[in-house]
Amino acid sequence: KAGVTQTPRYLIKTRGQQVTLSCSPISGHRSVSWYQQTPGQGLQFLFEYFSETQRNKGNFPGRFSGRQFSNSRSEMNVSTLELGDSALYLCASSYPGGDEQFFGPGTRLTVL
Amino acid sequence: AQSVSQHNHHVILSEAASLELGCNYSYGGTVNLFWYVQYPGQHLQLLLKYFSGDPLVKGIKGFEAEFIKSKFSFNLRKPSVQWSDTAEYFCAVNAQGNTPLVFGKGTRLSVIA
Repeated sequence: KAGVTQTPRYLIKTRGQQVTLSCSPISGHRSVSWYQQTPGQGLQFLFEYFSETQRNKGNFPGRFSGRQFSNSRSEMNVSTLELGDSALYLCASSYPGGDEQFFGPGTRLTVL
Repeated sequence: AQSVSQHNHHVILSEAASLELGCNYSYGGTVNLFWYVQYPGQHLQLLLKYFSGDPLVKGIKGFEAEFIKSKFSFNLRKPSVQWSDTAEYFCAVNAQGNTPLVFGKGTRLSVIA
């Protein structure tokens, strides 16, 4: 079974731009969660989607948004990028009713 | 709100030394507990998990962890580390019922020959 995939793997943007990251969960998984990983703050929860609905949301500004499609694939969008948004963005999926999350390789976003 | 504390930021051990990484969490309800590992350049992988039952759980690659409810702790152990165990280790917790994972800041383990 293929794992969680994320595209692109690396991204360089400049301040003020916006970016969209994509995540394809493991087949059969319907829950997708997003995390931001930085050296200073560690891993912080952004949001979780289940069946195209946002089920949980972390403490991030409204510039961070996401969505989920009917095939469970998810995208997250960051508008008006700031230098502090440079991070590794991780996506994780889980099967219905499951508490274990399976992580993708991440998208490394650098904001210049 | 839940929080997770990992006591050691960076641990350096010689090969064959024993390992114990501390993890404490704060949450009053029933929790699931996890240890994840991130090898250099690789994605987060699950080492072991505790949902219920025997508080001593065994994971992959010879790792084990013990859940001590009275101490809100879930320490990771390995009797004899190898150079290939060099990685970053994250403790995480979530409340039962599909809630977000809360991670500790991680412990970087360096194993030297």
